[in-house]
Amino acid sequence: SQTIHQWPATLVQPVGSPLSLECTVEGTSNPNLYWYRQAAGRGLQLLFYSVGIGQISSEVPQNLSASRPQDRQFILSSKKLLLSDSGFYLCAWSHGQGGQPQHFGDGTRLSIL
Amino acid sequence: AQSVAQPEDQVNVAEGNPLTVKCTYSVSGNPYLFWYVQYPNRGLQFLLKYITGDNLVKGSYGFEAEFNKSQTSFHLKKPSALVSDSALYFCAVRDGDSGAGSYQLTFGKGTKLSVIP
Repeated sequence: SQTIHQWPATLVQPVGSPLSLECTVEGTSNPNLYWYRQAAGRGLQLLFYSVGIGQISSEVPQNLSASRPQDRQFILSSKKLLLSDSGFYLCAWSHGQGGQPQHFGDGTRLSIL
Repeated sequence: AQSVAQPEDQVNVAEGNPLTVKCTYSVSGNPYLFWYVQYPNRGLQFLLKYITGDNLVKGSYGFEAEFNKSQTSFHLKKPSALVSDSALYFCAVRDGDSGAGSYQLTFGKGTKLSVIP
């Protein structure tokens, strides 16, 4: 069966510091991969998605970037964190067919001080 | 553009009573509809989906949802609520006629369900 792993589970970082969040998927190949941010108000905001290695699409201009160095690895990064980057970050994967659901990791709670 | 509305921020129901969490959507093509549940400090868990076929779809944990094309709704239901059903519920939609690519989902803002013992 397929599994998705995100780490770390929680992270506290000072303003201006760099960021690297990692997500890996097991048990499938060539998944679509997604990064979301969930603010305190609950809604999910799609940040990035990828349909293949090295292929990244950005949904919202921001202080963050994403990379996909391997088929089942998706990384969210920042060179300098802002206070507004605080939130709950979720990684998800799906098969390529349009009717398939997305499956989510357990998220990373990021607090910026 | 596609959108989802969950008109209730919170739904309270007594344990053992039926529950309904409402969702309406807007999409230009054929809707692909999904329900997810989120427990505190966890990711979203997939409950059920409607792609085509029977308007009543059954999913995990005894949940079901009814697709109503004329009302553009996809309400989540369960005949008898459990305290353990208390969580945040999200409805999501995708345009099934959009081209191949990311298969992006648009999520509603979520409805907090509280089941009272």
